[in-house]
Formats: sequence, structure tokens, C-alpha cells
Amino acid sequence: QVQLVQSGSELKKPGASVKVSCKASGYSFTNFAVHWVRQAPGQGLESMGWINTDTGKPTYAQGFTGRFVFSLDTSVSTAYLQISSLKAEDTAVFYCARDDGRTWLIDYWGQGTLVTVSS
Amino acid sequence: EIVLTQSPGTLSLSPGERAILSCRASQSVSSTYLAWYQQKPGQAPRLLIYGASSRATGIPDRFSGSGSGTDFTLTINRLEAEDFAVYYCQQYGSSPLTFGPGTRVDIK
Repeated sequence: QVQLVQSGSELKKPGASVKVSCKASGYSFTNFAVHWVRQAPGQGLESMGWINTDTGKPTYAQGFTGRFVFSLDTSVSTAYLQISSLKAEDTAVFYCARDDGRTWLIDYWGQGTLVTVSS
Repeated sequence: EIVLTQSPGTLSLSPGERAILSCRASQSVSSTYLAWYQQKPGQAPRLLIYGASSRATGIPDRFSGSGSGTDFTLTINRLEAEDFAVYYCQQYGSSPLTFGPGTRVDIK
């Protein structure tokens, strides 16, 4: 069955960096894009963009350029989200998710990774 | 960017009642690429409806979606205890993908 398993919670200080992993299983990794979605505490869902797992080309939503980087290691079917120069307002749960391979419909989600930025 | 507005913000209902949730888009959603997700506390969202009206795999038939263009509705018939959650609409027809702010369905 399709599974996306994310790395565990992180506690970081302002200015540090974090790298969240998302390991896929149960399907052909390079046939389906991986999306990243942010959910700040008590807030709604916000699309950060996606990465084409076949070409490695990332697409970033407005507001997620510069400090946010999507990457892949296709040899282990894993996608990564790296955030640099962390700020307190980056505190959120970050979800990876898979689209259906034909449209941008997100059909499977990882369990989420809480990143807390605090001094 | 397509902005999605959901109403009401909160819906307080009793088990067995019907919930009607609205999602309005700032411009027409192409190819009816509108999805609904359910999210419970501490959990990832779950896909309920795609293409405005198609149920995802394993979703009970008490959930139904309708609409086109800019106005969409999620109906939940005969609410069960497990249905009390937050529901988000999302358009996936144009970039950037956008979500509505959510409707919370809670127990009256």
C-alpha cells in the first residue's frame, strides 16, 4: 500500500536549518510528484509547492522561495524539505504528500513533521 | 491565484443530522478540479472527494460533493461521531494550488 513516512519532530533555534525527509513506499516513486504543505499551529493548510520526482524540478509557491529547498534521493525513494535561516514563524507541521500522477490532486499524505523554532 | 472561501466557519450539529458545507472560488475552477479533505486533530488530512463529486477510495456514501465553476458543496448525510472534524476544500486545477480556510464540524 502507498505510504509516506516522514522524519520525526525537530526543535531548532532561530537561524538554524532543518531537513525533513519523506520516504515513499508501495508505488513507483518517480511516477508521482511530491508536494509539501505547511500547517501553522491552529491554522489551515498552505501549499508550499512540489517537486517533479522524474526530473527533479521543484516548483515553489509564492512565499516559499529562497529559504525553502525541495530535493530528492530517488535511490531510496525519499523527498526532502530543507529550510534555512529558521524563524519563530516557521514553527509548523510540514506534510509531504503525493499527487495522482495525472493532475495535481493530492491523494496520499505523510503523517506530518512538527518543526518548532524557539530560542 | 484562486482564493477559496468556505462557509460557515463552524457548524454545530448533532449525530444523525445533515451537514452542508460551502466552498466558493474567486474564479472558475478549471475542469472541476476541486477536492475536499477531512482533518482530525493530530492527523494528516484525508482525501474525501475529487473532481468536485467523485468519492475517493473507501469513503462512505454519506459523503457527497457537487458544484462547478465557482460554487461547490460538500454534504454529509447522517453525521456519525467520526465525522466531527475540519473540512478543507482545495482547487488543483491551476498553480498555485490553494486551500480554503476550513469548516469545523463539531458536536452540538
